[in-house]
Amino acid sequence: AQSVTQLDSQVPVFEEAPVELRCNYSSSVSVYLFWYVQYPNQGLQLLLKYLSGSTLVKGINGFEAEFNKSQTSFHLRKPSVHISDTAEYFCAVSELGGSYIPTFGRGTSLIVHP
Amino acid sequence: GAGVSQTPSNKVTEKGKYVELRCDPISGHTALYWYRQSLGQGPEFLIYFQGTGAADDSGLPNDRFFAVRPEGSVSTLKIQRTERGDSAVYLCASSLLRGGRNEQFFGPGTRLTVL
Repeated sequence: AQSVTQLDSQVPVFEEAPVELRCNYSSSVSVYLFWYVQYPNQGLQLLLKYLSGSTLVKGINGFEAEFNKSQTSFHLRKPSVHISDTAEYFCAVSELGGSYIPTFGRGTSLIVHP
Repeated sequence: GAGVSQTPSNKVTEKGKYVELRCDPISGHTALYWYRQSLGQGPEFLIYFQGTGAADDSGLPNDRFFAVRPEGSVSTLKIQRTERGDSAVYLCASSLLRGGRNEQFFGPGTRLTVL
């Protein structure tokens, strides 16, 4: 069975600074990886996903993530954050050929200060 | 087109009561998922429908929880004899096809409070 660890529960950062939100996963087989964003009182919205191919994945709102198989990581990055990026971010993993139900991490709260 | 909608947005009930939570998926999406999100946690899988049938209900915590999708579109999550520990946000998601690679589209959730 797969699992996901988001190491930081909260990440405070100033506007226009770079940010990295960390995600590590555990699985005995190949995986699909996802990052979702949840704004207050809204549902989750897909930011980006890794299915196969290039390990650097670009998503919406200027976010990108890099799949590192050897380190079992899928960290999310943005070179310059905006106030509007303040939200909860969830990493999720699902296994190829196995259960199609993704497992979500506990989430990281990104707080962007002016 | 319209996204996934859930009603009600908020539900307050008393311990022991019965509640129904409704999900309207995106039209044409065959797969439908229910999750529960407790404060400070990520979504926790409850049940998955492919068409009208529950393909995987392994996440339902006990037999007080039940869900249906009689016509392969709208789904209802039913909770009997509610307990305070059932308080959470219940999320519904749908995807065009089954399979782990398919993007899930989430509704805004129903916040359930059991007093």
